[in-house]
Parts: sequence; C-alpha cells; structure tokens
Amino acid sequence: AQSVTQPDIHITVSEGASLELRCNYSYGATPYLFWYVQSPGQGLQLLLKYFSGDTLVQGIKGFEAEFKRSQSSFNLRKPSVHWSDAAEYFCAAVYGGATNKLIFGTGTLLAVQP
Amino acid sequence: DAGVTQSPTHLIKTRGQQVTLRCSPISGHKSVSWYQQVLGQGPQFIFQYYEKEERGRGNFPDRFSARQFPNYSSELNVNALLLGDSALYLCASSYLITGSYEQYFGPGTRLTVT
Repeated sequence: AQSVTQPDIHITVSEGASLELRCNYSYGATPYLFWYVQSPGQGLQLLLKYFSGDTLVQGIKGFEAEFKRSQSSFNLRKPSVHWSDAAEYFCAAVYGGATNKLIFGTGTLLAVQP
Repeated sequence: DAGVTQSPTHLIKTRGQQVTLRCSPISGHKSVSWYQQVLGQGPQFIFQYYEKEERGRGNFPDRFSARQFPNYSSELNVNALLLGDSALYLCASSYLITGSYEQYFGPGTRLTVT
C-alpha cells in the first residue's frame, strides 16, 4: 500500500544544533515528495518538494532535503535550528501523475531548547 | 494575493447535528481538496474536486459529502456528527490536479463535537 512513515514522533534539539527529520515512503514508483510545516493551530506551509532531478533540494527557511532512492527516504535537514522552528513537520507523497492527492506521514513534533 | 480561506475558524456542534464548512481557493486555482486532521495524526484525504466534478474520495463514510461551485469555492458537509468527527478540517487548492501541481493549504476549521 502507498504510505509514508515518519519514525520519530517527537524530537528535541538545542537552538543552534543541526536537525534531521526522517521520512520513508513505500517502495514502488517514485512518488513526488513534500515536506510541510504546521505551527500550532495553523494550516500547512510547504517547505520544499522533490519531483525529479537533483536529489538534494533546497527549501524555505534554510531547510533542505535529500532524496535517496536506495533507502526510499526523503530526510529533512537544517544545519542550525532556531527557536522559531519549533512546530510539527509532515512528510507527504503524491503517488501517480494523474492526481495530486497527498498521503501524509504521522508527523514529527520538533521542540527547540534554548 | 489572498491565500486559501476557510470559514468558520472554529465550530462546536452536538452529536447528531449537521455541519457545513466552506473554502475559497487561491484565485485561478481550479481544484479543491479536503483533508481531516485528527489530533496527533497527519491529515487524511477526504475529497478532491476539479472543475466542479469529484475526482477523488478517501475512505470516509457517506455522511461526508462535498461540492464545488462555478467560482471554484467548495463546501464540505458532514451529517449525523459523531464524537470522532472532531478534528481540524483542512482545505487545499491547486491549479490542476496532476501530480506536479502542489497544493496550498488554508488555516483550517477546528470542529469540536460534544
């Protein structure tokens, strides 16, 4: 079945430390991949997306993600976390080119320690 | 430019009642999708509409229905509300519905069923 897995439910990092959030998608045809961020009580904001080509994609707010076909992964990274990055992060996939219906992971809640 | 707008922001209903949620897409976008986000989970796809036609339906009971109007705005209706329908309902719009067209989310409607 088409699915997206985020193994880490909750992560705490210190401000200024690096961050990596994990995401795995179910194998098969490579889906389009996305990372969204959701602040408390808010909608979803797109951080970055991968459709094809360069496997390292840059997004907004200093985030980047690397697509690794061999590991069915699309991990999100940031070299130095700011307190304002505290939020919930969702990895999502679109399977098949005829629809842009999103399949989401369960999310990773990021806490940032001063 | 205005983003995706949703109304109302918050809603409290009693079990058995009916509710209508509204969504206005980004100007020029022809597709609207609805997602349900239960607390602590990722959004789940409910419906997708394109050019006023239903183009996709998730695994939700028939109590859930939707429609899209000629101006591309949309309504989501839920009948015979259950406690489990309490969630954040997100609307997303996109220009087209093929996989390479990303979705833009509204702030959501928080529905509480008591």
